[in-house]
Amino acid sequence: NAGVTQTPKFRVLKTGQSMTLLCAQDMNHEYMYWYRQDPGMGLRLIHYSVGEGTTAKGEVPDGYNVSRLKKQNFLLGLESAAPSQTSVYFCASSYWANTEAFFGQGTRLTVV
Amino acid sequence: QQPVQSPQAVILREGEDAVINCSSSKALYSVHWYRQKHGEAPVFLMILLKGGEQKGHDKISASFNEKKQQSSLYLTASQLSYSGTYFCGTVSGNTGKLIFGQGTTLQVKP
Repeated sequence: NAGVTQTPKFRVLKTGQSMTLLCAQDMNHEYMYWYRQDPGMGLRLIHYSVGEGTTAKGEVPDGYNVSRLKKQNFLLGLESAAPSQTSVYFCASSYWANTEAFFGQGTRLTVV
Repeated sequence: QQPVQSPQAVILREGEDAVINCSSSKALYSVHWYRQKHGEAPVFLMILLKGGEQKGHDKISASFNEKKQQSSLYLTASQLSYSGTYFCGTVSGNTGKLIFGQGTTLQVKP
């Protein structure tokens, strides 16, 4: 039972490049979330999904897109990376909003 | 809007107690508490649902005052293993949106 798996774990991008972060969960959870973590800012919600085929904006959605084509996967895309998107990205999933959220191990992204 | 946590940082000696507060400007359905060790993912501690309950396990407990839109996390007789950053997460309305505060860094010294 893997839980929540994020791919990749580390990545360095040049400004303007694009990439996709993959989050996969094997717990049949409905809810999935993408957060970014920056020093002193806590965990800020980028986008989230309440079920297969649904997505919604979080607190800091600009510059990111997401898709949830399959229930177990939640993809986060950066179309044109900027240095301000240098951060640690965490994916989380839960059965529903008022139950325990399980986090992936994080992706450390550096944009140069 | 992110919930607000206080204090931002706490330094304790082993055996001392600490309280971390979390407040929101919105009516809350639930409050989550997580702990994150350096370089690791956040780990779930407990969740409090609308209804003003208090929960706890071992020497960590929490309360939820839904009228005041506040929650507090109580750590008693702190141990070295309690060191880390504590986050409260809140869910408002029925959107399913789980948002977190900026975190409280707790350091327990021998």
